Amino acid sequence: SYEVTQPLSVSVALGQTARLTCGGNNIGSEHVHWYQQKPGQAPVMVMYRDNKRPSGIPDRFSGSNSGNTATLTISRVQAGDEADYYCQVWDSITVVFGSGTKVTVL
Amino acid sequence: VQLVESGGGVVQPGRSLRLSCAVSGFSFSSFPMHWVRQAPGKGLEWVALTSYDGRKTYYADSVKGRFTISRDNSKDTLYLQMNSLKSEDTAVYYCARGGTVVVISTVVDYYMDVWGKGTTVAVSS
Repeated sequence: SYEVTQPLSVSVALGQTARLTCGGNNIGSEHVHWYQQKPGQAPVMVMYRDNKRPSGIPDRFSGSNSGNTATLTISRVQAGDEADYYCQVWDSITVVFGSGTKVTVL
Repeated sequence: VQLVESGGGVVQPGRSLRLSCAVSGFSFSSFPMHWVRQAPGKGLEWVALTSYDGRKTYYADSVKGRFTISRDNSKDTLYLQMNSLKSEDTAVYYCARGGTVVVISTVVDYYMDVWGKGTTVAVSS
């Protein structure tokens, strides 16, 4: 089955830009979706179909997908962005999640 | 839009449990639905998906043949029947509303746009 890989952790200074990657074989030909999960809470979708923001998600969040890497970019990082982030694709018969990236705000 | 899971608890290995997800605030019968779980300290693991009418179902290999996803559109409720439970099924189970990408009347992609708060299942002797 299709596999996607995410870095275990990313650290970013307050107010700077965080770039979270999701790698997979020719992932650019797939739609990639992203979820944010804060400790003790349910996941929340923050990006779908590569670069579409759900209502209520600030425009500091943006997405891209090309070649073998999809990227979720968080600009002007805030303390409240500290969370685990998961990418997800549909593999024709199954949903595949990445293992998640923990974002730490310094 | 609200999704409320119930039915979790402590169960012995080999036994069964049925989870429910009651929804409100949207037209349940128009959306596919997912179950996703998260073992303690681990990442998200997709479990199962049902189409809007229940005619198509998909499962993760880890639960295929043991779990059954179903829905009652007259009751706005999603179910997960879990049989032959194992210790590795211990997790928080979330139901999630499915979003889709449709191309020429064919669903080519699924994602989860709204999630419930989850219900905890612990499999232990």
